Amino acid sequence: AQSVAQPEDQVNVAEGNPLTVKCTYSVSGNPYLFWYVQYPNRGLQFLLKYITGDNLVKGSYGFEAEFNKSQTSFHLKKPSALVSDSALYFCAVRDRGSTLGRLYFGRGTQLTVWP
Amino acid sequence: KAGVTQTPRYLIKTRGQQVTLSCSPISGHRSVSWYQQTPGQGLQFLFEYFSETQRNKGNFPGRFSGRQFSNSRSEMNVSTLELGDSALYLCASSLSHNTYNSPLHFGNGTRLTVT
Repeated sequence: AQSVAQPEDQVNVAEGNPLTVKCTYSVSGNPYLFWYVQYPNRGLQFLLKYITGDNLVKGSYGFEAEFNKSQTSFHLKKPSALVSDSALYFCAVRDRGSTLGRLYFGRGTQLTVWP
Repeated sequence: KAGVTQTPRYLIKTRGQQVTLSCSPISGHRSVSWYQQTPGQGLQFLFEYFSETQRNKGNFPGRFSGRQFSNSRSEMNVSTLELGDSALYLCASSLSHNTYNSPLHFGNGTRLTVT
């Protein structure tokens, strides 16, 4: 069965420091992986995706993610955090055997960046 | 280009009533998916429509139903509302139901409160 785990409910970092939000997944076959961000009272905004190719994927707002097949991980990273990065982050996986609209989401990680 | 539009933004209903939520996808997008977001269960897939046909369905009771119109707009209906149906309902659109490089684009959601 497909599943996504975000082991940390909360991540706190100081502005200017690097940040990492962790994600591990379980899916049959090669996965499609996504990161989304959600601000209060808003929907999810797409950040980046891994389909195939380079293990390091670059996305919006300076975020990047590293795909590690052996560890089944897809951690979200940013070299220098901003206060405006504070939000709820979701990792998601799409099973290649499923339809486009069905994503399996992690429980989310609340990122707080303090000044 | 306008994003995914969901109406209404907020709804308050009483147990036993029914409710209809509306979603207009991004122009040119033909696939619409619905998700329920709650603090306890996180993001859960409800169903997906393409070309007015349901392509995939999550594990929700029959009280939850949906449809898609020829202009790709979609509605979801919840009958006999229960307190546990209180949630943020998110609609997402994409170009096709099998274009796997395409991310989902989410609306800002409809916040349903059942009293």
